[in-house]
Amino acid sequence: DADVTQTPRNRITKTGKRIMLECSQTKGHDRMYWYRQDPGLGLRLIYYSFDVKDINKGEISDGYSVSRQAQAKFSLSLESAIPNQTALYFCATSRNGGRGTEAFFGQGTRLTVV
Amino acid sequence: QQQVKQSPQSLIVQKGGISIINCAYENTAFDYFPWYQQFPGKGPALLIAIRPDVSEKKEGRFTISFNKSAKQFSLHIMDSQPGDSATYFCAARGTGNQFYFGTGTSLTVIP
Repeated sequence: DADVTQTPRNRITKTGKRIMLECSQTKGHDRMYWYRQDPGLGLRLIYYSFDVKDINKGEISDGYSVSRQAQAKFSLSLESAIPNQTALYFCATSRNGGRGTEAFFGQGTRLTVV
Repeated sequence: QQQVKQSPQSLIVQKGGISIINCAYENTAFDYFPWYQQFPGKGPALLIAIRPDVSEKKEGRFTISFNKSAKQFSLHIMDSQPGDSATYFCAARGTGNQFYFGTGTSLTVIP
């Protein structure tokens, strides 16, 4: 089983619809992240959470919101989807601080907004 | 503003050749520099990483060279193989365990 699981893997939605992407992890990590990947732009941080009560905006948080329901669950919502939010979305986790605390990624969710 | 600049955007190498990907950064607070490998349809996976107090790290055919004074680091893939064809991202860790990624390099190794 994957350590970081994202659902759904693929989603097509219409402009203006609300959509939620979900992430769950079995790694026991405190920190969770949502990234967006676009061709030529790499991975850009949307939101990150250090624990259930600590949520922070990343570089490109406008148009997105998140919820950390439990240590193992972190969901990303698009309140009113627009076509330029079409992208590949990744959830990631990491341990709390220290050296060697690299990020571990899920398989990604490909979102298309039409 | 891109915190980590990566080049080239794409790279084609013959089997057995050396693949070199370069990254540069400005923020001296970055304290950890991982490289990620991503295959189509998969999430990025850690390949190799280095701390800024080390100038080189080698793991098998993969080597990171790190130049702290120039704020540059690079990934060298020796004896490149078709199975190495993937997208590679450099990254840097900043305060609060935030990771900043380069724009990625698409590597194609021709048999």
